[in-house]
Amino acid sequence: QQQVKQSPQSLIVQKGGIPIINCAYENTAFDYFPWYQQFPGKGPALLIAIRPDVSEKKEGRFTISFNKSAKQFSLHIMDSQPGDSATYFCAASRNSGGSNYKLTFGKGTLLTVNP
Amino acid sequence: DAGITQSPRHKVTETGTPVTLRCHQTENHRYMYWYRQDPGHGLRLIHYSYGVKDTDKGEVSDGYSVSRSKTEDFLLTLESATSSQTSVYFCAISDQVKETQYFGPGTRLLVL
Repeated sequence: QQQVKQSPQSLIVQKGGIPIINCAYENTAFDYFPWYQQFPGKGPALLIAIRPDVSEKKEGRFTISFNKSAKQFSLHIMDSQPGDSATYFCAASRNSGGSNYKLTFGKGTLLTVNP
Repeated sequence: DAGITQSPRHKVTETGTPVTLRCHQTENHRYMYWYRQDPGHGLRLIHYSYGVKDTDKGEVSDGYSVSRSKTEDFLLTLESATSSQTSVYFCAISDQVKETQYFGPGTRLLVL
């Protein structure tokens, strides 16, 4: 059972466009929603994260929008650049006891930004 | 970058042979994780550790075992490798307070 569903699988935009990647979750106990960015041959790196007590969070050109009632969250990349070309993963976690946080990942979106 | 190294970075082995992957951290973080990454599946948790000698299973633990005898090292063992275990393996670490997981560079394993 996939607990975090991510779409689309791949996305191509022109430089300056605003790619949007969507994720939906099922477990209402999730309380932390990070996005990771991965370049080829590298490990994933945290990009931005949000908690369900806010509906939006911005860090530079990256914005997370969160809709708690719909159990959905999305990543928007403003003024996208060729250097943003990477695979993006959404994830969700809950405190499963103590302070251990296990992440459940979406399947990833391969973003290509053409010059 | 978080101080995480993985060894080896690449390995080719044959079906039925044992394989051990090593994750080493210099951050003194309590939690360590092993994931595998496969096309179409994203990242899936194999095992994790919440302290020295304290480990637990993730969602795809069958065929894998782990050990953690020191804070800085977390070993993943494939007792008898199978072709279905061909994958890229990532180690991650996190501390007690923050949820952020920091990932290592990965190990690419090919089982023939």
